[in-house]
Amino acid sequence: QQQVKQSPQSLIVQKGGIPIINCAYENTAFDYFPWYQQFPGKGPALLIAIRPDVSEKKEGRFTISFNKSAKQFSLHIMDSQPGDSATYFCAASLGIYNQGGKLIFGQGTELSVKP
Amino acid sequence: DGGITQSPKYLFRKEGQNVTLSCEQNLNHDAMYWYRQDPGQGLRLIYYSQIVNDFQKGDIAEGYSVSREKKESFPLTVTSAQKNPTAFYLCASSYRGTVSYNEQFFGPGTRLTVL
Repeated sequence: QQQVKQSPQSLIVQKGGIPIINCAYENTAFDYFPWYQQFPGKGPALLIAIRPDVSEKKEGRFTISFNKSAKQFSLHIMDSQPGDSATYFCAASLGIYNQGGKLIFGQGTELSVKP
Repeated sequence: DGGITQSPKYLFRKEGQNVTLSCEQNLNHDAMYWYRQDPGQGLRLIYYSQIVNDFQKGDIAEGYSVSREKKESFPLTVTSAQKNPTAFYLCASSYRGTVSYNEQFFGPGTRLTVL
């Protein structure tokens, strides 16, 4: 019930391509869905986040699409660059009144953007 | 320069030793968290604290202990009771505010290796 399933595990695209990373959840009580970007040996950095009352959110080249009825959300990276090569994690939260707003993470997607 | 600092960056522990990982933030955030990351996996919550002098167990608290004597600091002790402590440890913090969700920001991490 509290799992977030992320796919694919790894992804290789050419520069300029649009990688898409998908996440699915079961618990409809989740109310906050962030995406994090992590470079090797570094801490995750918050990239973009969405609430369930919005179907899409864009920030620069990053877009989250959210499908509440399907209980799925995805990250799209427009005009991908080699510098975007990193591991991406989706996450979900039940809110600050549930275990202090802990984040439940997907397993991660290792993205490689070839020049 | 505001942010979250973790020290040390690398830590080596012998069997049977307790070690303490430091986490400090100067963001004036109320809540602090400790997560553990294993290779190829998402992050899992160890402990969290929403206010000074109060903390709660997360999903994998066995073998760990914490304290929250100051708002800025949330050290994690990995005790000898933790049977598989080799992992990447990440500290995060967030501002509680008046909304139901909280953006969590991560430190650079400490890599702990058991010799």
